Amino acid sequence: NAGVTQTPKFQVLKTGQSMTLQCAQDMNHNSMYWYRQDPGMGLRLIYYSASEGTTDKGEVPNGYNVSRLNKREFSLRLESAAPSQTSVYFCASSGDGLEPQHFGDGTRLSIL
Amino acid sequence: RKEVEQDPGPFNVPEGATVAFNCTYSNSASQSFFWYRQDCRKEPKLLMSVYSSGNEDGRFTAQLNRASQYISLLIRDSKLSDSATYLCVGRPHYGQNFVFGPGTRLSVLP
Repeated sequence: NAGVTQTPKFQVLKTGQSMTLQCAQDMNHNSMYWYRQDPGMGLRLIYYSASEGTTDKGEVPNGYNVSRLNKREFSLRLESAAPSQTSVYFCASSGDGLEPQHFGDGTRLSIL
Repeated sequence: RKEVEQDPGPFNVPEGATVAFNCTYSNSASQSFFWYRQDCRKEPKLLMSVYSSGNEDGRFTAQLNRASQYISLLIRDSKLSDSATYLCVGRPHYGQNFVFGPGTRLSVLP
């Protein structure tokens, strides 16, 4: 069972470059999320999508854009990467009601 | 006050010990709670869901006290492999986002 799949797993960018992090889930979940986690810190919500066609800002949205392409896929885009965006990025999904979140195994992003 | 607070830790315990983590939440509308474990730079993995008064799974027991807005996680007979950060997470109700506690770090020592 794949669950939540993130690509790529590792990426190194130069300042000013752009890239898109991909996330797909096969659990038929309505809600999807993007978090970042800096070393020694907790998870911080960047953007979320409560259902196909909707997206909302989380705690730290600046410098990012998202697209909920369909029910399965939720991508995160860095238009002009900055060193402060060096982090581990986790995608998650959840069902309705009282269900927990399920996480992908993360994308480790370094911006030089 | 943060919505979900946890013991700051770290907890350093010998193998075989029993250890308990505490978590308090401020949003009384929270409907469900979860304990996740997170290994260094890995994704959080669901350990237990807590919907009513509690849940038990092998060596792990979670208890929920809605009156006191308090959740606990008890780990019995600690193993070296239990070393991780334990995250307490609340979910108010559908449409509202999950709220993560800062995590409690556990090191089980040989």
